Amino acid sequence: DVKVTQSSRYLVKRTGEKVFLECVQDMDHENMFWYRQDPGLGLRLIYFSYDVKMKEKGDIPEGYSVSREKKERFSLILESASTNQTSMYLCASSFLGGRRKTQYFGPGTRLLVL
Amino acid sequence: TQLLEQSPQFLSIQEGENLTVYCNSSSVFSSLQWYRQEPGEGPVLLVTVVTGGEVKKLKRLTFQFGDARKDSSLHITAAQPGDTGLYLCAGAGSGGGADGLTFGKGTHLIIQP
Repeated sequence: DVKVTQSSRYLVKRTGEKVFLECVQDMDHENMFWYRQDPGLGLRLIYFSYDVKMKEKGDIPEGYSVSREKKERFSLILESASTNQTSMYLCASSFLGGRRKTQYFGPGTRLLVL
Repeated sequence: TQLLEQSPQFLSIQEGENLTVYCNSSSVFSSLQWYRQEPGEGPVLLVTVVTGGEVKKLKRLTFQFGDARKDSSLHITAAQPGDTGLYLCAGAGSGGGADGLTFGKGTHLIIQP
C-alpha cells in the first residue's frame, strides 16, 4: 500500500511565525506535491518537486517555500504565516513519467493562523 | 490552462437511489483520476482511467472515460450512506514531467438513510 504521511493533522500558529509542514512517502516516488484546499476554490498547487533538491513553482507559490533534501521527504515552509494561509494543506506523491500520473495523498494538515 | 468542470456541485439523495457525477473539459487528458474525500481527510484514490472509452467498475461505482479523453462520469448504483463524501476528478496533461493534476472543484454527495 502506498503510504504518504504528514507530520501534523492540526496546527495552530500565530501571524508572523515560521511554519514547517513535513511530508514523507514510502513508495520511492520521484514526484512530490504540495496543495492547499479551500472551500469553493478546490485544490491549488503550491509547489512540486521531481527530484531531490529540485523544485518548481505551482499556481500559488507566493508566501511559501519548499525543501527536498531526501527523496522521500518534502517540506513546505511558511516563512511568515499570515491569516490568509489558514487552510487544509495536502501533500501528494507519484511516479515520474508514464501516462497514468496517479497521485497519492496524505491525510492533510489543517492549519489555523491566528 | 486546462479546466475541469464537475457537476453537480452538490447532490443529496436517498439511500438506494442511483446517481451520476460528471467531469467535463475542453482539453484532452492522458489520464483521469477519481478520488473520494471525507471531511478532515486527504483524497483517497478510487480509480485511474487511461484509454478513451474505458469503463471501470468498483463494486457499485462505474467510471467511464470519454472517447475523446476530455470527459468522464461516475455512476453510483443503489447509493449507501457510506458513499457520502466529496468526489474529485483530476486530469493529467499529455506532456511528460511532474506537473500537478488539474482538479475539478468536486461534487459534495450526501446519501440520506
